[in-house]
Amino acid sequence: QVQLVESGGGVVQPGRSLRLSCAASGFTFSSYGMHWVRQAPGKGLEWVAVIWYDGSDKYYADSVKGRFTISRDNSKNTLYLQMSGLRVEDTAVYYCARGGGNRGGWFDPWGQGTLVTVSS
Amino acid sequence: QSVLTQPPSVSGAPGQRVTISCTGSSSNIGAGYDVHWYQQLPGTAPKLLISGNSNRPSGVPDRFSGSKSGTSASLAITGLQAEDEADYYCQSYDSSLSGSYVFGTGTKVTVL
Repeated sequence: QVQLVESGGGVVQPGRSLRLSCAASGFTFSSYGMHWVRQAPGKGLEWVAVIWYDGSDKYYADSVKGRFTISRDNSKNTLYLQMSGLRVEDTAVYYCARGGGNRGGWFDPWGQGTLVTVSS
Repeated sequence: QSVLTQPPSVSGAPGQRVTISCTGSSSNIGAGYDVHWYQQLPGTAPKLLISGNSNRPSGVPDRFSGSKSGTSASLAITGLQAEDEADYYCQSYDSSLSGSYVFGTGTKVTVL
């Protein structure tokens, strides 16, 4: 079955870096755009970044632009999110999700999420 | 910050019908971009409920339906059940923001 499993979350000090991974299985990973979406504790969903199926294009939310980098390794069926210059307000559960449809499409499925806590 | 506005909460008794609105603008829903809906049960990841304004993925009960008109969209739940108690989010795309997908503010559905 289609499955996405995130890893790499943890507690990190402000200004430091962290890399999240998302292992995909059950579908042809290299055929789909992939997203990162986050949810701060008790808050709503916030889209973070998207990468095209072949890695040729990437887009970011203004809140993370210049600090976060989305990438993928299609040979390993894995999506990444390199986060640097972390801020307290980046504290959230980070989900990876497969993109559906064309631009403006949906997210399905979602991984279980990995918690990133930025605190001194 | 969310550019799609939803009511913070709606409630209904079992068996009733409830609707959740999602209000956008001319740069997102009004520009013709599709609206999608997600259900998030407590402590779990969001799950796709409606794609492309009104399409139910396989496995989603037909109690859930979506519609879109102008700069707004709606999710209706008919025959409300206890297991429908969850947070619901709409999602679309906004052409005024750089490559930006946008979510609604979220609505908590309570089954009385």
